[in-house]
Amino acid sequence: DAKTTQPPSMDCAEGRAANLPCNHSTISGNEYVYWYRQIHSQGPQYIIHGLKNNETNEMASLIITEDRKSSTLILPHATLRDTAVYYCIVRAFFGNEKLTFGTGTRLTIIP
Amino acid sequence: GAGVSQTPSNKVTEKGKYVELRCDPISGHTALYWYRQSLGQGPEFLIYFQGTGAADDSGLPNDRFFAVRPEGSVSTLKIQRTERGDSAVYLCASSTLAGEVDTQYFGPGTRLTVL
Repeated sequence: DAKTTQPPSMDCAEGRAANLPCNHSTISGNEYVYWYRQIHSQGPQYIIHGLKNNETNEMASLIITEDRKSSTLILPHATLRDTAVYYCIVRAFFGNEKLTFGTGTRLTIIP
Repeated sequence: GAGVSQTPSNKVTEKGKYVELRCDPISGHTALYWYRQSLGQGPEFLIYFQGTGAADDSGLPNDRFFAVRPEGSVSTLKIQRTERGDSAVYLCASSTLAGEVDTQYFGPGTRLTVL
């Protein structure tokens, strides 16, 4: 799986949009971008994934650049409960089923 | 519905002892994964089961670590002759492996402390 680069930490004011960047410049054509988050003392939680189109679900939006070398996870109205470590992972489909986590971005929502 | 459960939630043992960690996946999930997470790090893959068989055990650090899933549901991670460096949170995840997108659902983990 390709390596990802994320900032180690970010702050965001409660109620504002949190934009978490991820670089994956060596991503292959058959690799998806996944985002997971891990709230303190819990297991990782799936957020969203995408291949090349922008995606939105009830938790977040995922914006992938046209060249697919970077992406941004957007939490539209951050709450205190969104404080967590966010992991950006690239992973091929149909094979190599493991997830390769980096160190992620520690997002702190400020009241 | 019920998520992935892991028991015990905490385990303290002495160096050299044997431990077993249990994972109950989501019912019907054919794939099961074990990860290990050290303080300040992201989870690190250990082993992956598809059904009863280990499809990928490349992440097991050495032969002291072994995992089984005899009936294709519950899995047990076994660690022999524990060392202080084995202290970590051990996470289990399961998925359906349906189609090309595989969402893994994680349990809360077992915190293992080796004294």
